[in-house]
Amino acid sequence: DVKVTQSSRYLVKRTGEKVFLECVQDMDHENMFWYRQDPGLGLRLIYFSYDVKMKEKGDIPEGYSVSREKKERFSLILESASTNQTSMYLCATHSSYNEQFFGPGTRLTVL
Amino acid sequence: DQQVKQNSPSLSVQEGRISILNCDYTNSMFDYFLWYKKYPAEGPTFLISISSIKDKNEDGRFTVFLNKSAKHLSLHIVPSQPGDSAVYFCAARWANRDDKIIFGKGTRLHILP
Repeated sequence: DVKVTQSSRYLVKRTGEKVFLECVQDMDHENMFWYRQDPGLGLRLIYFSYDVKMKEKGDIPEGYSVSREKKERFSLILESASTNQTSMYLCATHSSYNEQFFGPGTRLTVL
Repeated sequence: DQQVKQNSPSLSVQEGRISILNCDYTNSMFDYFLWYKKYPAEGPTFLISISSIKDKNEDGRFTVFLNKSAKHLSLHIVPSQPGDSAVYFCAARWANRDDKIIFGKGTRLHILP
C-alpha cells in the first residue's frame, strides 16, 4: 500500500509568517504534486516535481515555492502567508499505473 | 479555460437508486480518465478509471462510461449507499504526459435515506 503522509492535519498561522508543509511518500515514486482544494474550485495544481531537485510550476504557483532535496520528501513553502492562502493542501504521488495517491491533507488557516 | 468540466456542483439521490455523475472534457489528447472520491478532511482516493480505447469499465457497484465522440464520461453508482455521500472528482491525463492529471471542480453527492 502506498503511504503518503503530511506533517500536519490542521495548521493556524498569522499573515506574513513563513509556512512549511511537508509531504513524505514511501513508495519510491518519482513524481510528486501539491494541490490546493477550495469549495467550488476543485483541485488546483500548485507545483509538481518529477525528480529530486526538479520542479515545475502548476496552474497557481504564485505565492508558493517548493523543495525536493530527497526523493521521498516534497515540501511546499509559503514565504509570507496571506489570508487568501487559507485552504486545504493536498500532496500526491504518481504511480506508473496512471493514478495519483493522495495524502490526508493539511487544512491551513491564515489569520 | 477548464479542460475537465463537472457542471453539476451537487446531486441528491435516494438510497438504493442509481447515481449518475457527469463529466465533459475539451482536449481530444486526453487518453485516460479517472474518478476520485473525497470525504471531508481526507485526501481524495482513487475510485475507477478508463482508457480512451474503451467505452466502459465496471468495478462492483461503479461503472464508468466514455463517449469519445461527445467528449463525455459518466460514473454510475448502483445501488447508491449512504457511504457514497462524498465529493467526486473527474480527472483526465494527456497521452505521453504521465505526470499531470487535470481535475474537474467536483460534484458533491448526497445519498438520501
